[in-house]
Parts: sequence; structure tokens; C-alpha cells
Amino acid sequence: EAQVTQNPRYLITVTGKKLTVTCSQNMNHEYMSWYRQDPGLGLRQIYYSMNVEVTDKGDVPEGYKVSRKEKRNFPLILESPSPNQTSLYFCASSRSGANSPLHFGNGTRLTVT
Amino acid sequence: GEDVEQSLFLSVREGDSSVINCTYTDSSSTYLYWYKQEPGAGLQLLTYIFSNMDMKQDQRLTVLLNKKDKHLSLRIADTQTGDSAIYFCAESDNAGNMLTFGGGTRLMVKP
Repeated sequence: EAQVTQNPRYLITVTGKKLTVTCSQNMNHEYMSWYRQDPGLGLRQIYYSMNVEVTDKGDVPEGYKVSRKEKRNFPLILESPSPNQTSLYFCASSRSGANSPLHFGNGTRLTVT
Repeated sequence: GEDVEQSLFLSVREGDSSVINCTYTDSSSTYLYWYKQEPGAGLQLLTYIFSNMDMKQDQRLTVLLNKKDKHLSLRIADTQTGDSAIYFCAESDNAGNMLTFGGGTRLMVKP
């Protein structure tokens, strides 16, 4: 089954403790992206990757890092999480960029205390 | 940067038509999308329209695009309780690198 898989689904952590949210897709998509969803703000793009070893900042990249060492994986790293990063995070992938339909994961709800 | 606006909430009765509206600012957008989000799930692509089209129909869904006013709408005919969800419109940038989403419209369908 074609899918985007994120882990974990839920995560509660404390300020400053490094964490990684994993994302994997099995559709051989070139484009992958991370969004955060906050009430009333819709989805805001954090980082995106057009292909392996190519990553770019989205609208809200501060406090986040990503890597794209392999085509299928696009982990999101929070080196020193803060409470304002409490949010619902979505990973998405598409065949080629934002002009192809995006396939979304089921989300990761992160709480930073 | 690009900005996409939607109303927050819409309530309709089962069987009626729903119209969800969206305005955007980037006149060079290539594609405009409608996504649906059900509780506890990711976003699911509903339909999309290429920027040189005025209308697209797909079963119960009709998308209208007014490029002059930068206005996009999604009409759902014969709305069902299973259509209750949050609906997001989104526009791609000219380079096809980024997708900008609206804040989402929560559709509530009353029996």
C-alpha cells in the first residue's frame, strides 16, 4: 500500500531534550516536506526537499533541522525543543514538487513542556 | 509572501449544497488544490484545478476559479454527514517548490 509513515504519533517531551520525528514514503517520490498545523493558522511549511541531499527552508524553519540522505526518508529534528513548538506535525511527499498532488502522513502530535 | 484566506466555519443541512470559499494572492500560482482533513488523520487530496481553467467538476464536487478576483470555491452537492471535516485550499508557488495553505474551513453537516 502506497503511504507516508510518520513516527511517533504522539510525543510528550521537555524543553531542551533533542528529538527526531521520522518520515518514510514507499512511492519513490522525489519531493518531501514537513508542515506544522496550529489552530486557525492552517498548515505552515517548515522545510522541503526536492530530491536526495537537497533541502530548503519553508515559511517557519527556525528551531528545526532536516536531512535527506535517502530518497524514502526525511526526518525532522528538533535540537532543543521549546514550548512554542508544541503542535501537530505532518510529513508529505509528491512525485515532483508542489505541482504534484501531496500524500500526507497521519501526523505527529508533539507536546513540549 | 503568498496568503490564502478561508472562512473558519460552515454549517449546512444534510442534502443541501455546501460552498466553501477561498481567496489567494499569488497570481502566478500554477495549481490550486482542495484537501480534506478528517479527525485524527492527515490531509487527503480532494481535487485540484489548473490555473488556466475556470471550472472543474468531479462527481459531487465542483471547483470554480475566478483568476481576476483570485477567488476559488468548492461546491459539494447533496452534502452528507460523512462530508463533515476541515477543508483546506492551497496554492502552489510559480516554481512548484512550496504549497501555501489557508487556515481551513470546518464543515459541519446536520442530519
